[in-house]
Amino acid sequence: DVVLTQSPLSLPVTLGQPASISCRSSQSLLSGDGNIYLNWFQQRPGQSPRLLIYKVSDRDSGVPDRFSGSGSGTDFTLKISGVEAEDVGVYYCMQGTHWPYAFGQGTKLEIK
Amino acid sequence: EVQLVMSGGDLVQPGRSLRLSCAASGFTFQTHAVHWVRQAPGKGLEWISSFMLDNTNVAYADSVKGRFAVSRDNAAKSLYLQMNSLRPEDTAIYYCGKDINPGDLGLWGQGTLVTVSS
Repeated sequence: DVVLTQSPLSLPVTLGQPASISCRSSQSLLSGDGNIYLNWFQQRPGQSPRLLIYKVSDRDSGVPDRFSGSGSGTDFTLKISGVEAEDVGVYYCMQGTHWPYAFGQGTKLEIK
Repeated sequence: EVQLVMSGGDLVQPGRSLRLSCAASGFTFQTHAVHWVRQAPGKGLEWISSFMLDNTNVAYADSVKGRFAVSRDNAAKSLYLQMNSLRPEDTAIYYCGKDINPGDLGLWGQGTLVTVSS
């Protein structure tokens, strides 16, 4: 099974400053159809997870453009260009290329 | 509005059974897959099952294999997670989620709390 490793696990950030989260996969996430099904989710306190980024870099509908995703092969990154107060929560990467799906451990973003 | 509506969470004793429901509102379950994910108190997300709507293939995490089973009722536009032989370590918020596009788990239910305790 695929294992996703996120870093850091805790991310204190000053308002307005950029933030970056890494996700490394134990194996290639390149699918037979040529796509990489690596997604990023945001989970605010007390809420269900929300899809932010799918297929490495595509923003879901309504997601602010300060969120961006990049990467290839086994290394992926979520970036927030300027953190806002509403961005507080836990961020998870998830792979949907191989069954079973797998999540990273989560990165808790807080305001410094 | 397109959404997944969950129900069935409860407080149950160890060894007992419980069935969770995941109902489609504003759409029907036709393509891609539906997944069950749980989150123990203060912990991260754990995938536990996937059900492929196109061909009914299903997969389970080792932690629930042989105890949990997914079923479908097309008339009720619902999927169910039957949980048997529940253990205290099954205590969690359970989510159902659906792929909107392949592999994206783009739509989530609101979650339902299962507490296993004597």
